[in-house]
Amino acid sequence: NAGVTQTPKFQVLKTGQSMTLQCAQDMNHNSMYWYRQDPGMGLRLIYYSASEGTTDKGEVPNGYNVSRLNKREFSLRLESAAPSQTSVYFCASSDRGTGPQHFGDGTRLSIL
Amino acid sequence: GESVGLHLPTLSVQEGDNSIINCAYSNSASDYFIWYKQESGKGPQFIIDIRSNMDKRQGQRVTVLLNKTVKHLSLQIAATQPGDSAVYFCAENRGGYGGATNKLIFGTGTLLAVQP
Repeated sequence: NAGVTQTPKFQVLKTGQSMTLQCAQDMNHNSMYWYRQDPGMGLRLIYYSASEGTTDKGEVPNGYNVSRLNKREFSLRLESAAPSQTSVYFCASSDRGTGPQHFGDGTRLSIL
Repeated sequence: GESVGLHLPTLSVQEGDNSIINCAYSNSASDYFIWYKQESGKGPQFIIDIRSNMDKRQGQRVTVLLNKTVKHLSLQIAATQPGDSAVYFCAENRGGYGGATNKLIFGTGTLLAVQP
């Protein structure tokens, strides 16, 4: 009963490096989301995907790209990492807009 | 640069007491609300939700109250236990219940500290 699985759990990058964060869900949900969580700011939506093949910008999309690979998988890419992208990244999924989002346990990303 | 500490509102309660965590939301058009619990090092965990056509919903040891007049949401936890210690977030859905996605806006959270 895995739910939402994120890899890796921790990562340290140097400024300018690129990285892809992986997310997979096994609940057959249509919608998937990427958030970042910074101290004192709650969770902020980066990108979301209403269904396979569609993606849309959230509140803070700059510096990120996403791919909805199939119904199960939704990846987040940092093309050229910056220290301001140091954060904890959470992936979530939901059964369209009629139920709560279910979260993974996050990727803790530090950019030096 | 100077670091900024995390300043979460904190609610400290004794084990066995009831806890009430409050949340104000901003958009009168929001029609679906969710409470999440987040333990250290973990992702947010769903606790309970409520649609705007209700003003109260109960779960196991938890109750959510919604006051649309003043745009206020509260989470009541009965007989609080040490395992309830966590950060609690409210979230409002601005995307329209039943739409393709939930466009959740999260509050900054309240830290619940349960004293044995």
